[in-house]
Amino acid sequence: KQEVTQIPAALSVPEGENLVLNCSFTDSAIYNLQWFRQDPGKGLTSLLLIQSSQREQTSGRLNASLDKSSGRSTLYIAASQPGDSATYLCAVRVDSNYQLIWGAGTKLIIKP
Amino acid sequence: EADIYQTPRYLVIGTGKKITLECSQTMGHDKMYWYQQDPGMELHLIHYSYGVNSTEKGDLSSESTVSRIRTEHFPLTLESARPSHTSQYLCASSPLRGGETQYFGPGTRLLVL
Repeated sequence: KQEVTQIPAALSVPEGENLVLNCSFTDSAIYNLQWFRQDPGKGLTSLLLIQSSQREQTSGRLNASLDKSSGRSTLYIAASQPGDSATYLCAVRVDSNYQLIWGAGTKLIIKP
Repeated sequence: EADIYQTPRYLVIGTGKKITLECSQTMGHDKMYWYQQDPGMELHLIHYSYGVNSTEKGDLSSESTVSRIRTEHFPLTLESARPSHTSQYLCASSPLRGGETQYFGPGTRLLVL
């Protein structure tokens, strides 16, 4: 059974730092992996989607990598800003029904 | 900007009451989903739908039911609320073809006393 783990559960860093969030999954047979952002009182927003055949995706200051064989993905955030404060979740698609298995998220706080 | 709406946003209700959580989207998406999320925990899929008159159960056993009579509307019903139903309920939608990104509503926080 696929399990998704995100470490650390919480992270607090000063503004301007580059940081890495980690996501690991137990079964490498995935279709894709997505990173989402969740803000309090709001829904989730998709940030990046990496297909199983891809190694990385970039959007602005965000870069996500995927190492399917080792069951790992990282989300790199460059030059962090207070507005980046949120919970970041990763999810893997495991079947043809587009169902996602989710991690519990990393709560990120960027201190001004 | 994704247009998916959930009402109510917050609900406090007594044990045994019947409740319906509403979810509507204006994007014409065929697929819709209901997730349950406890604080600091992962999302669990409880129901999903491929389109009108299609409903499927997710990987989390749930005492709720759903219906899909119209493309844009996917309500979730609890016939008899219990304190164990206290949680956040998130609705999402995605196109059947051409994209895998799910668009989420703001969620409903339910407290059953």
